Amino acid sequence: AQSVTQLDSHVSVSEGTPVLLRCNYSSSYSPSLFWYVQHPNKGLQLLLKYTSAATLVKGINGFEAEFKKSETSFHLTKPSAHMSDAAEYFCVVSDPNTGGFKTIFGAGTRLFVKA
Amino acid sequence: DGGITQSPKYLFRKEGQNVTLSCEQNLNHDAMYWYRQDPGQGLRLIYYSQIVNDFQKGDIAEGYSVSREKKESFPLTVTSAQKNPTAFYLCASSNGQTYTGELFFGEGSRLTVL
Repeated sequence: AQSVTQLDSHVSVSEGTPVLLRCNYSSSYSPSLFWYVQHPNKGLQLLLKYTSAATLVKGINGFEAEFKKSETSFHLTKPSAHMSDAAEYFCVVSDPNTGGFKTIFGAGTRLFVKA
Repeated sequence: DGGITQSPKYLFRKEGQNVTLSCEQNLNHDAMYWYRQDPGQGLRLIYYSQIVNDFQKGDIAEGYSVSREKKESFPLTVTSAQKNPTAFYLCASSNGQTYTGELFFGEGSRLTVL
């Protein structure tokens, strides 16, 4: 069985300060892990993905995430927040051997960026 | 550009009416999915199809129906049997040949029942 927990439903930062969105996962196999971003009334866009290669993954718009197997975590970070980063972020776990119907989404973290 | 097109973007329905949401993709993906999104609950899988003329129920299929007559198209019908249909609906696809877990999403359809 697999599950994913996003530890914060809301995160608020000031523009120019670091962003940390936390995600823990549980999986009985070697999962693929993803972060997606969703702006209001839009679809989800892939930020980055971990698929058993390098544990530090770089994505679009300056975001990165580190896969820590010992802590079962996949936290998303960005050194300096921009107003355009305000959105909802989803941590996602999937078994690449079985297909998309095994994909599990976290409940989401809404990021607010203050000017 | 390749992608997924959902229509309509906004839809209003009276109670007791069936409505159909369209999803078309030109990514040549084998697999397609329908998700429902409610505030604070992430995405929940309604139906998925891994190949033409075949589809499977997801976690919350009751009150919904789908068809997959063409590779490019995967329409979702929200029937009158769905007790709480007001939600944001997302269609997605994935490459069955080189699947890595990544899903490609449309822009969504927001259904409101009046």
